[in-house]
Amino acid sequence: AQSVSQHNHHVILSEAASLELGCNYSYGGTVNLFWYVQYPGQHLQLLLKYFSGDPLVKGIKGFEAEFIKSKFSFNLRKPSVQWSDTAEYFCAVYMNYGGSQGNLIFGKGTKLSVKP
Amino acid sequence: SQTIHQWPATLVQPVGSPLSLECTVEGTSNPNLYWYRQAAGRGLQLLFYSVGIGQISSEVPQNLSASRPQDRQFILSSKKLLLSDSGFYLCAWSPYTGGNVYGYTFGSGTRLTVV
Repeated sequence: AQSVSQHNHHVILSEAASLELGCNYSYGGTVNLFWYVQYPGQHLQLLLKYFSGDPLVKGIKGFEAEFIKSKFSFNLRKPSVQWSDTAEYFCAVYMNYGGSQGNLIFGKGTKLSVKP
Repeated sequence: SQTIHQWPATLVQPVGSPLSLECTVEGTSNPNLYWYRQAAGRGLQLLFYSVGIGQISSEVPQNLSASRPQDRQFILSSKKLLLSDSGFYLCAWSPYTGGNVYGYTFGSGTRLTVV
């Protein structure tokens, strides 16, 4: 079955630590990849996306993610986190079925807590 | 620019009562519309999606239904709420073609508590 896995449920870091959140998916076809962020009390916002081209994509607020097709992965990274990065992060994979048909499937989310 | 409105923000309803959550999109035509439920530790679960007026696809059989009476209006309903219907409900839209490129844009959500 098609699925998106985020292996870390809750990550706790100190400010200035480096971050890497894992995301793996199971689908053999064409995919487009997204990371969404939900800050406390706010709605889901798009952090970055991969559609084609350079597999290393850069998003807002210093985040980046790398698409490794052979590993079916799209891990999110940030070299130095800040307290304001405390949020829940969702990986989402758009699985293209052909034509204009597809489905955006979300992982279960990773809660990031950054200690000041 | 496109905006998505969802209301109410919070709702407390007794078991067995009806439900109606509304979502509207402005600034675009013929969007794809979605209802998701977000549960702690379980991510976002797609409940319904619609590619046009009156066209509803259900992803998960449950106590809920959806309707799209107008191009930019999407309604989530229930005739009799269950305790298990409690959760955070999100409406989202994407371009009719291009959801794979642009992703989905989410509303601010409705926190439903069934008591």
